[in-house]
Parts: sequence; C-alpha cells; structure tokens
Amino acid sequence: KAGVTQTPRYLIKTRGQQVTLSCSPISGHRSVSWYQQTPGQGLQFLFEYFSETQRNKGNFPGRFSGRQFSNSRSEMNVSTLELGDSALYLCASSTDFSGNEQFFGPGTRLTVL
Amino acid sequence: GQNIDQPTEMTATEGAIVQINCTYQTSGFNGLFWYQQHAGEAPTFLSYNVLDGLEEKGRFSSFLSRSKGYSYLLLKELQMKDSASYLCAAHSGAGSYQLTFGKGTKLSVIP
Repeated sequence: KAGVTQTPRYLIKTRGQQVTLSCSPISGHRSVSWYQQTPGQGLQFLFEYFSETQRNKGNFPGRFSGRQFSNSRSEMNVSTLELGDSALYLCASSTDFSGNEQFFGPGTRLTVL
Repeated sequence: GQNIDQPTEMTATEGAIVQINCTYQTSGFNGLFWYQQHAGEAPTFLSYNVLDGLEEKGRFSSFLSRSKGYSYLLLKELQMKDSASYLCAAHSGAGSYQLTFGKGTKLSVIP
C-alpha cells in the first residue's frame, strides 16, 4: 500500500509570490490534514479536509487556503509569500476522525527568499 | 486556548529507561497522541490514549490522566535508534481531526 505522497519535495520562492503544494493520501483515506513545522513553533495545524469539505481550520491568515478533490487528493495554496512562511509543510491522511492513526507524508520544504 | 508542554531536550543512556512528560490544556479534548520524528523525516505514530491508564506496546508505553491533563511516554531498553524527537499531540474537536502538537522533546541516546 503506497504511503502519503507530497509534491514537490523542495521549493524555493521569493517574497510576494504564491505557491501550491500537493498531497495524495493513502488509498481509501478521506481525511487530509495540513501542518506547518518550524523550529521555533513546532507542528502547527493548518486545516483538515474530509470528503471535499474543510472541517477545521487552524489559526493562520487567509493567505493560507486549501481544497480537496473528489479523489481525496488535496492542495494547499499560500499567496503573497512572506519570509516567515519558510517551513516544512506536512500533510497527513487518515480513514476518519475517530482518533485513528494519521499517516504523515515526507513533507514539502518551502524556502522563501 | 490550546497549550501543550513537554521538555525541550532529554539525554539518556543506551539500555536505560526514559520517561517523557507532556501536560496539556485544550478544549474539547478527545485523546492524546504520541509521535516519533527522526531528523529530516516525517512523524510516525506511536500511540493514542483515550482512557486513563497505561497502554503498553513493546518497548514503548504511554500513560494518560485526563483529570490532570497529563501524559507520559515511557521508553524501555533504549537503543541508539531511539534518538529522535517525540511529539505529543492533543486530539480535539468533535467530528473532525484537529491535533495540537507540543514543540517536541529531542531525545539523545548515548552509549
């Protein structure tokens, strides 16, 4: 069974640009969550999608958005990039919201110059 | 608000036992996760506690006290490969999957 995949793995952008990251969950998983990980703040919840609907959103500005497609694949978008957006962006998938294990992807390392 | 506290770093000797504590204050608490993250890799699931008490899984055990907002991860017979960051995360939010993570405890296992 293939794991969670994320593309691209590495990305370099400049301030003011926008970026789209992609996540393909494990087959059969309908819940996809996104997290931002930085050395100073640790892992912070961005949002969670289930069956194409955003069920929950963390405390991030509106520049961060996402969506989920009918095949459960998900994308997140960051507009008007800032230096502080440099981070590892992780997505995780799960079968449901009952507390089952979340499987994390390898992440996308975003560097904003 | 949501708040998860755990020690920043710990050092332990190969073959020993180490306990990593985690205290939490969250609304709508459902359960407590522990994840292991090696440097440069994604977090991997270790345990999920919903009820009070100790759950043992091989060399790793996890404990939860809901009334005290407290959990710990116990690692026995430490091996060098256990050197990693250990993240505790509170699962909250009815009907959704929202995890609030602590900043992680970096464990170094020395010979």
